[in-house]
Order: sequence, then C-alpha cells, then structure tokens
Amino acid sequence: GDSVTQMEGPVTLSEEAFLTINCTYTATGYPSLFWYVQYPGEGLQLLLKATKADDKGSNKGFEATYRKETTSFHLEKGSVQVSDSAVYFCALRGANNNAGNMLTFGGGTRLMVKP
Amino acid sequence: GAGVSQSPSNKVTEKGKDVELRCDPISGHTALYWYRQRLGQGLEFLIYFQGNSAPDKSGLPSDRFSAERTGESVSTLTIQRTQQEDSAVYLCASSSDKRLAFFGQGTRLTVV
Repeated sequence: GDSVTQMEGPVTLSEEAFLTINCTYTATGYPSLFWYVQYPGEGLQLLLKATKADDKGSNKGFEATYRKETTSFHLEKGSVQVSDSAVYFCALRGANNNAGNMLTFGGGTRLMVKP
Repeated sequence: GAGVSQSPSNKVTEKGKDVELRCDPISGHTALYWYRQRLGQGLEFLIYFQGNSAPDKSGLPSDRFSAERTGESVSTLTIQRTQQEDSAVYLCASSSDKRLAFFGQGTRLTVV
C-alpha cells in the first residue's frame, strides 16, 4: 500500500539557517503530494502541494518539488524564523486506493528554530 | 462556516466512560475523515466517509470506536469504555476536491 517516510526529528536550527526536511513515498500511479504544518496548540494546516511530477509547491518561503524519479518531495526553506517552529507532515493522496481520497501521512518532523 | 469545526476542543474523561466527538465539515464537502494523533506520534487514519457510500472503517483500532455521518453534514466519533491509551488529539478533515483536505483544530482527549 501507499506509504510516506520522512526524516525523524527534532530538527534544531538557528534563525536564518537553511532547512531541508526529507520526504520519500511509495505509491502506485501518480499521487498528489502535500506538506502540512502544525503549529503549537493548533490544528493541521496545508502548507503546500504538488499534483504532478516536476511541480513545485511553494508558500511562506517554503518550497517542495515533486520528483517522480526519486519518489521524493523534500521541504526546503532558505532562511528559517523562530515562528517556523512547528511539526511538519508530508502526505500523499493516491490516484487509486481503497479509501478513495484518503491521505497517507508521514510520521511528522518537529522543527525547533532558536533565535 | 468558514472552516472545519470540531467540538469540544478539550475533553477530560474518566477511564471507562463513553465520549462523543463532533465534527462540522465545510459546507458542500462530500468527504470527511477522522484521524488520531497520539503525543509525539504521526497521524493515524481512523475512518473515511464519502457521500452516501459505505464508510471505510479500516483504521478504527477496536470495536469501542464508531463514527456516524448523516448525509454530507455533521459527523460524530464515539469512543466507548475509554482507556488511557485513547488519549490523543482527534482530528477531522473534510474535502470536496479529490486532492485537498481541510482540517479542524482537533479535540484533545485525555483519559484519566
């Protein structure tokens, strides 16, 4: 079945450092890929998405490129801020699966940014 | 409403009691999902509703868990005879598009 693997955290960075959170997936066909963010005490929010190979999703300075050849969707940001401290979830929605539009999530990566 | 609404936001219950969690999806969204997030862990799929189709209950961890949804409106997740291991944040999401889901704020359940 579909699966998502993302790097374990926590990831601790200083402000203005470069961020990469790795995400790889296993799925049949052409899934859509997502990054969700969960700030402390809040629910999940969609951060960005990509629906086909080579698409680049971007939002709030974050970017991720859908790489079919490496089955990856790594999240990057050039200069992190303290306010980016949160848990980040990589997810996919397969083109065909038993639960129709069900999202499959990775385990989440906690990012802590120090001033 | 403008987004997915869940209630209560926090629930503390005694072990063995039943609890009911509510989710109001975005109006017009045909798909509704329940997920669970235990402390320090990733999201765990529980159940999925799509329109009038039979729900996908494959993620429900035990027969103490059940969920209902009437048409394309409110859903309730019921946990009977709660156990301490049920303590988690329960997240609801709804979707009208095949590839995008919107999440509620979650209900934090603590079983003492």
